[in-house]
Amino acid sequence: EAQVTQNPRYLITVTGKKLTVTCSQNMNHEYMSWYRQDPGLGLRQIYYSMNVEVTDKGDVPEGYKVSRKEKRNFPLILESPSPNQTSLYFCASSPTVSGMNQYFGPGTRLTVT
Amino acid sequence: GQQLNQSPQSMFIQEGEDVSMNCTSSSIFNTWLWYKQDPGEGPVLLIALYKAGELTSNGRLTAQFGITRKDSFLNISASIPSDVGIYFCAGYNNNDMRFGAGTRLTVKP
Repeated sequence: EAQVTQNPRYLITVTGKKLTVTCSQNMNHEYMSWYRQDPGLGLRQIYYSMNVEVTDKGDVPEGYKVSRKEKRNFPLILESPSPNQTSLYFCASSPTVSGMNQYFGPGTRLTVT
Repeated sequence: GQQLNQSPQSMFIQEGEDVSMNCTSSSIFNTWLWYKQDPGEGPVLLIALYKAGELTSNGRLTAQFGITRKDSFLNISASIPSDVGIYFCAGYNNNDMRFGAGTRLTVKP
């Protein structure tokens, strides 16, 4: 089944403890991206990648890192999480390198205390 | 960054009623998209619009790309309980996708 998977789906952590949220797609898509969803703000893009080893900042990249060492995986790294990073995170991939028509993962709900 | 204004924020309707929601922007977009997010899931693409004035249907859903390219509309006819969820508009230009804040739809049986 064609899909985007994220792990973990739920995570509660403490301020400053490094964490990684994994994202994997099995559709051979070039484009992948990360979003955070907050009430009243919709989806805001954190980082995106148009190809292996190519990553770019989105609208809200501060406090996040990403890597794209292979096409199928695009992990999101929070080196030192803070409470304002409590949010619902979505990974997405697209068959077009431009990023249109994105397929979203199921989401990761992160709480930082 | 450029934000899209989506309205209404929420709607409570009776099963069988028609629904309309819209999205406006101060800037032009070349593509408009509409997504639906079910509770506990990621957004799923419903309709994509590629040309100003375009009217596209997907079952009971109909979306239009505004003539000015600064707005888009989504209509749902004869709503059913499974239409419940959050509907997002998105505008796309040159590798840049912007989302509206969403319209939360509740359908009462």
